[in-house]
Amino acid sequence: RKEVEQDPGPFNVPEGATVAFNCTYSNSASQSFFWYRQDCRKEPKLLMSVYSSGNEDGRFTAQLNRASQYISLLIRDSKLSDSATYLCVLSGGSYIPTFGRGTSLIVHP
Amino acid sequence: EAGVAQSPRYKIIEKRQSVAFWCNPISGHATLYWYQQILGQGPKLLIQFQNNGVVDDSQLPKDRFSAERLKGVDSTLKIQPAKLEDSAVYLCASSATGLAGRETQYFGPGTRLLVL
Repeated sequence: RKEVEQDPGPFNVPEGATVAFNCTYSNSASQSFFWYRQDCRKEPKLLMSVYSSGNEDGRFTAQLNRASQYISLLIRDSKLSDSATYLCVLSGGSYIPTFGRGTSLIVHP
Repeated sequence: EAGVAQSPRYKIIEKRQSVAFWCNPISGHATLYWYQQILGQGPKLLIQFQNNGVVDDSQLPKDRFSAERLKGVDSTLKIQPAKLEDSAVYLCASSATGLAGRETQYFGPGTRLLVL
């Protein structure tokens, strides 16, 4: 089993849709969790950190389920500008930062 | 605030040649990371520096890759000799203190390497 697994997609959704991505991980020692966004041929940029209690930032909600070892990202009211690849990242303690392969989202009119 | 700077932005070389990449992190950032991102995959950590010391280089192919951060500021990553499978984007990132991986990493624009 890979350390970090993401469905590569692409997820093809219309504007205004709600879409959710999951990221499963195998290392239970992971302490910190993040979602990064990467536009085509650009560098990754932090979208949001993921806290144990779950957190929300506008249309974006991140959740962590330690028991089942996954994190999730929910995007509500999708915009065309949300089209990108979404990368989950795990790190912490002696565990080096590990990225998933990313999930591609395409929002169409 | 200036971001992470990398050069060159693009490089094309033939296999068995050598190549070097340069990175200047955000001013004051103690931690510097080098990643390799192959097309269709997520970034893979090659080496992590804390100031001028190596925190982790377990995924660095040391037979051909080397990296240094002599003065704890900018850094160079070298490949010698290059192989076809080294074709990728090499991303440099920095974070303020590297607190056990809990901090935001800021990425540079990357260097796209093509090995022919």
